Amino acid sequence: AQSVTQLGSHVSVSEGALVLLRCNYSSSVPPYLFWYVQYPNQGLQLLLKYTSAATLVKGINGFEAEFKKSETSFHLTKPSAHMSDAAEYFCAVSDQPGGYNKLIFGAGTRLAVHP
Amino acid sequence: GAVVSQHPSWVICKSGTSVKIECRSLDFQATTMFWYRQFPKQSLMLMATSNEGSKATYEQGVEKDKFLINHASLTLSTLTVTSAHPEDSSFYICSARGGGTNTEAFFGQGTRLTVV
Repeated sequence: AQSVTQLGSHVSVSEGALVLLRCNYSSSVPPYLFWYVQYPNQGLQLLLKYTSAATLVKGINGFEAEFKKSETSFHLTKPSAHMSDAAEYFCAVSDQPGGYNKLIFGAGTRLAVHP
Repeated sequence: GAVVSQHPSWVICKSGTSVKIECRSLDFQATTMFWYRQFPKQSLMLMATSNEGSKATYEQGVEKDKFLINHASLTLSTLTVTSAHPEDSSFYICSARGGGTNTEAFFGQGTRLTVV
């Protein structure tokens, strides 16, 4: 069975600091991995997706994530946080063709950015 | 990206009544829609997958007679929580996909259901 663990339900960083949101997955087959962001009162928006084409995936808004099979991790990073990055972030995994069926989500990490 | 709209954004209902939540794809035809449920401080859990014109496929443990899903058109799916109870209070989110399995699924903004 697949699962996702997001370490840290809340992360707080200063504006301009590095953002690191952790995600570890469990999957018996090569996984598809996703990061989504949710702003208040809005739907989930896809930040980036790993499909085995490249281990370092670049997404929108300056975010990127690196797939590390040996560590079963897919951590999300951004070099310099902006106030507008404050939101809830979800890591998700799927073993279905294409990846978008049967997404298994982590519990989410709320990112706070302070001046 | 494409727009998926859910209505209502929040609803309060009395125990024993039924509540209908709508999920609409505003600028594309959604061949497949997904319904998720999120408990406070927990993951989104997939409840069911529906393809237009077909019966929904429910995940294990989800009561299909309690959570009725209809996907009668390419732009609308509905989730009806029947005979709601306080334990059904949750955040319900839909997503919709307009193509094959490689096509991104876009999420609605969610519906907060509170059963009193």
